[in-house]
Amino acid sequence: GIQVEQSPPDLILQEGANSTLRCNFSDSVNNLQWFHQNPWGQLINLFYIPSGTKQNGRLSATTVATERYSLLYISSSQTTDSGVYFCAVERYSGNTPLVFGKGTRLSVIA
Amino acid sequence: DTAVSQTPKYLVTQMGNDKSIKCEQNLGHDTMYWYKQDSKKFLKIMFSYNNKELIINETVPNRFSPKSPDKAHLNLHINSLELGDSAVYFCASSQAGQVRQYFGPGTRLTVT
Repeated sequence: GIQVEQSPPDLILQEGANSTLRCNFSDSVNNLQWFHQNPWGQLINLFYIPSGTKQNGRLSATTVATERYSLLYISSSQTTDSGVYFCAVERYSGNTPLVFGKGTRLSVIA
Repeated sequence: DTAVSQTPKYLVTQMGNDKSIKCEQNLGHDTMYWYKQDSKKFLKIMFSYNNKELIINETVPNRFSPKSPDKAHLNLHINSLELGDSAVYFCASSQAGQVRQYFGPGTRLTVT
Protein backbone atom coordinates (compact mmCIF):
# COMPACT_ATOMS: atom_id res chain seq x y z
CA GLY A 1 0.00 0.00 0.00
CA ILE A 2 0.87 3.65 -0.16
CA GLN A 3 3.46 4.92 2.34
CA VAL A 4 3.29 8.33 4.00
CA GLU A 5 6.30 9.78 5.76
CA GLN A 6 6.31 12.99 7.75
CA SER A 7 9.23 15.01 8.95
CA PRO A 8 10.42 16.09 11.37
CA PRO A 9 8.82 13.78 13.94
CA ASP A 10 9.21 16.40 16.67
CA LEU A 11 9.65 20.14 16.57
CA ILE A 12 10.05 22.73 19.31
CA LEU A 13 9.60 26.38 18.41
CA GLN A 14 9.82 29.67 20.19
CA GLU A 15 6.62 31.65 19.89
CA GLY A 16 6.75 33.85 16.80
CA ALA A 17 9.01 31.53 14.81
CA ASN A 18 8.15 30.03 11.42
CA SER A 19 8.25 26.36 10.51
CA THR A 20 7.84 23.96 7.60
CA LEU A 21 6.46 20.45 7.96
CA ARG A 22 6.94 17.94 5.20
CA CYS A 23 4.89 14.99 3.95
CA ASN A 24 6.25 12.55 1.38
CA PHE A 25 4.06 9.89 -0.20
CA SER A 26 5.04 6.89 -2.26
CA ASP A 27 2.43 6.93 -5.02
CA SER A 28 0.08 9.25 -6.84
CA VAL A 29 -2.86 10.40 -4.76
CA ASN A 30 -6.32 11.74 -5.36
CA ASN A 31 -6.72 13.30 -1.94
CA LEU A 32 -4.34 14.85 0.56
CA GLN A 33 -5.45 16.42 3.81
CA TRP A 34 -3.54 18.09 6.62
CA PHE A 35 -4.93 17.81 10.14
CA HIS A 36 -4.04 19.37 13.46
CA GLN A 37 -4.71 17.29 16.54
CA ASN A 38 -4.87 19.65 19.47
CA PRO A 39 -3.87 18.72 23.03
CA TRP A 40 -7.51 17.78 23.73
CA GLY A 41 -7.43 15.17 21.00
CA GLN A 42 -9.63 16.89 18.43
CA LEU A 43 -8.71 16.32 14.80
CA ILE A 44 -9.08 19.60 12.98
CA ASN A 45 -8.98 19.62 9.23
CA LEU A 46 -6.57 22.31 8.04
CA PHE A 47 -6.40 21.79 4.30
CA TYR A 48 -7.73 19.59 1.58
CA ILE A 49 -4.92 19.97 -0.94
CA PRO A 50 -4.24 17.20 -3.47
CA SER A 51 -2.29 19.75 -5.53
CA GLY A 52 -1.41 23.42 -5.62
CA THR A 53 -1.17 25.98 -2.85
CA LYS A 54 -3.68 27.20 -0.29
CA GLN A 55 -3.50 29.71 2.51
CA ASN A 56 -5.57 30.16 5.63
CA GLY A 57 -4.35 32.92 7.92
CA ARG A 58 -0.92 32.07 9.28
CA LEU A 59 -1.02 28.61 7.73
CA SER A 60 -0.41 27.67 4.16
CA ALA A 61 0.16 24.42 2.31
CA THR A 62 1.66 23.38 -0.98
CA THR A 63 1.39 20.00 -2.65
CA VAL A 64 3.58 19.08 -5.60
CA ALA A 65 1.77 16.00 -6.78
CA THR A 66 4.24 15.13 -9.53
CA GLU A 67 7.06 14.98 -6.96
CA ARG A 68 4.89 13.32 -4.30
CA TYR A 69 5.28 15.71 -1.43
CA SER A 70 3.37 18.32 0.47
CA LEU A 71 4.54 21.11 2.77
CA LEU A 72 2.70 22.81 5.59
CA TYR A 73 3.96 26.26 6.57
CA ILE A 74 3.24 27.81 9.92
CA SER A 75 4.20 31.43 10.29
CA SER A 76 4.44 33.49 13.47
CA SER A 77 3.71 30.42 15.56
CA GLN A 78 1.59 30.67 18.69
CA THR A 79 1.30 28.39 21.70
CA THR A 80 -2.13 27.35 20.44
CA ASP A 81 -0.44 25.83 17.40
CA SER A 82 0.98 23.09 19.63
CA GLY A 83 -0.18 19.57 18.96
CA VAL A 84 0.35 16.88 16.35
CA TYR A 85 0.11 17.61 12.64
CA PHE A 86 -0.95 14.75 10.39
CA CYS A 87 -0.77 14.36 6.68
CA ALA A 88 -3.21 11.83 5.19
CA VAL A 89 -3.64 10.65 1.62
CA GLU A 90 -6.12 8.71 -0.41
CA ARG A 91 -4.95 7.00 -3.54
CA TYR A 92 -8.21 6.41 -5.33
CA SER A 93 -11.17 8.61 -6.10
CA GLY A 94 -13.88 6.31 -4.85
CA ASN A 95 -14.29 7.10 -1.16
CA THR A 96 -11.47 4.91 0.04
CA PRO A 97 -9.93 5.34 3.50
CA LEU A 98 -7.19 7.82 4.26
CA VAL A 99 -3.70 6.59 4.98
CA PHE A 100 -2.09 8.69 7.69
CA GLY A 101 1.50 9.57 8.33
CA LYS A 102 2.87 9.24 11.86
CA GLY A 103 2.60 12.95 12.44
CA THR A 104 4.83 15.81 13.52
CA ARG A 105 4.56 16.75 17.17
CA LEU A 106 4.90 20.52 17.49
CA SER A 107 5.50 22.32 20.76
CA VAL A 108 5.44 26.11 20.73
CA ILE A 109 6.88 27.67 23.85
CA ALA A 110 6.31 31.22 25.04
CA ASP B 1 -24.54 22.25 13.72
CA THR B 2 -22.11 19.39 14.26
CA ALA B 3 -21.30 17.65 10.99
CA VAL B 4 -20.02 14.36 12.43
CA SER B 5 -20.85 13.53 16.04
CA GLN B 6 -19.85 10.65 18.27
CA THR B 7 -21.12 9.41 21.60
CA PRO B 8 -19.83 8.93 24.16
CA LYS B 9 -16.77 11.14 24.21
CA TYR B 10 -15.18 9.07 26.96
CA LEU B 11 -15.78 5.44 27.82
CA VAL B 12 -14.15 3.58 30.69
CA THR B 13 -14.99 -0.08 31.06
CA GLN B 14 -13.62 -3.37 32.30
CA MET B 15 -12.11 -6.21 30.36
CA GLY B 16 -14.64 -8.65 29.02
CA ASN B 17 -17.47 -6.15 28.71
CA ASP B 18 -19.36 -5.35 25.51
CA LYS B 19 -19.71 -1.71 24.48
CA SER B 20 -20.92 0.41 21.59
CA ILE B 21 -19.83 3.75 20.19
CA LYS B 22 -22.28 5.72 18.09
CA CYS B 23 -21.58 7.96 15.12
CA GLU B 24 -23.94 10.22 13.21
CA GLN B 25 -23.33 12.54 10.29
CA ASN B 26 -25.73 15.20 9.05
CA LEU B 27 -23.87 15.96 5.82
CA GLY B 28 -25.83 13.57 3.61
CA HIS B 29 -22.64 11.64 2.87
CA ASP B 30 -22.81 8.11 1.50
CA THR B 31 -19.64 6.65 3.03
CA MET B 32 -18.65 6.43 6.69
CA TYR B 33 -15.47 5.21 8.34
CA TRP B 34 -14.05 4.13 11.67
CA TYR B 35 -10.39 4.88 12.43
CA LYS B 36 -8.40 3.82 15.48
CA GLN B 37 -5.67 5.94 17.05
CA ASP B 38 -3.35 3.91 19.25
CA SER B 39 -1.22 5.01 22.17
CA LYS B 40 1.54 6.12 19.80
CA LYS B 41 -0.92 8.42 18.02
CA PHE B 42 -0.91 6.33 14.87
CA LEU B 43 -4.21 6.54 13.00
CA LYS B 44 -5.39 3.56 10.99
CA ILE B 45 -8.58 2.63 9.19
CA MET B 46 -10.77 -0.06 10.72
CA PHE B 47 -13.91 -0.07 8.56
CA SER B 48 -15.67 1.84 5.88
CA TYR B 49 -19.32 1.60 4.90
CA ASN B 50 -20.82 2.70 1.61
CA ASN B 51 -24.58 2.65 1.25
CA LYS B 52 -24.85 0.27 4.20
CA GLU B 53 -22.39 -2.22 2.79
CA LEU B 54 -19.06 -2.97 4.39
CA ILE B 55 -16.40 -2.39 1.77
CA ILE B 56 -13.16 -2.60 3.74
CA ASN B 57 -12.14 -4.46 6.85
CA GLU B 58 -8.45 -4.03 7.64
CA THR B 59 -7.79 -7.26 9.55
CA VAL B 60 -9.72 -6.01 12.55
CA PRO B 61 -10.61 -8.73 15.08
CA ASN B 62 -14.14 -10.02 14.69
CA ARG B 63 -14.90 -8.77 18.20
CA PHE B 64 -15.40 -5.45 16.43
CA SER B 65 -18.56 -5.14 14.39
CA PRO B 66 -19.77 -2.01 12.61
CA LYS B 67 -23.51 -1.59 12.38
CA SER B 68 -25.23 0.92 10.12
CA PRO B 69 -28.98 1.32 10.73
CA ASP B 70 -29.17 3.96 8.00
CA LYS B 71 -26.93 6.07 5.81
CA ALA B 72 -26.42 8.72 8.49
CA HIS B 73 -25.26 6.37 11.24
CA LEU B 74 -22.37 3.96 11.68
CA ASN B 75 -22.05 2.47 15.13
CA LEU B 76 -19.13 0.42 16.39
CA HIS B 77 -19.88 -2.52 18.65
CA ILE B 78 -17.07 -4.22 20.53
CA ASN B 79 -17.43 -7.58 22.27
CA SER B 80 -15.24 -9.00 25.03
CA LEU B 81 -13.12 -5.88 25.43
CA GLU B 82 -9.39 -6.33 25.92
CA LEU B 83 -6.74 -4.03 27.37
CA GLY B 84 -5.29 -3.53 23.88
CA ASP B 85 -8.56 -2.04 22.68
CA SER B 86 -7.82 1.10 24.67
CA ALA B 87 -7.48 3.83 22.08
CA VAL B 88 -9.22 6.81 20.56
CA TYR B 89 -11.78 5.89 17.92
CA PHE B 90 -12.68 8.40 15.23
CA CYS B 91 -15.65 8.29 12.93
CA ALA B 92 -15.50 10.05 9.55
CA SER B 93 -17.66 10.50 6.47
CA SER B 94 -17.29 11.46 2.83
CA GLN B 95 -19.36 11.80 -0.30
CA ALA B 96 -18.65 10.20 -3.66
CA GLY B 97 -17.08 12.70 -5.99
CA GLN B 98 -16.02 15.05 -3.19
CA VAL B 99 -13.14 13.03 -1.74
CA ARG B 100 -12.52 15.12 1.37
CA GLN B 101 -13.30 13.32 4.65
CA TYR B 102 -14.86 14.93 7.70
CA PHE B 103 -13.96 13.64 11.14
CA GLY B 104 -15.89 13.40 14.38
CA PRO B 105 -14.46 14.50 17.75
CA GLY B 106 -13.31 11.02 18.74
CA THR B 107 -14.19 8.60 21.55
CA ARG B 108 -11.50 7.78 24.08
CA LEU B 109 -11.97 4.18 25.19
CA THR B 110 -10.12 2.97 28.27
CA VAL B 111 -10.27 -0.70 29.19
CA THR B 112 -9.19 -1.55 32.74
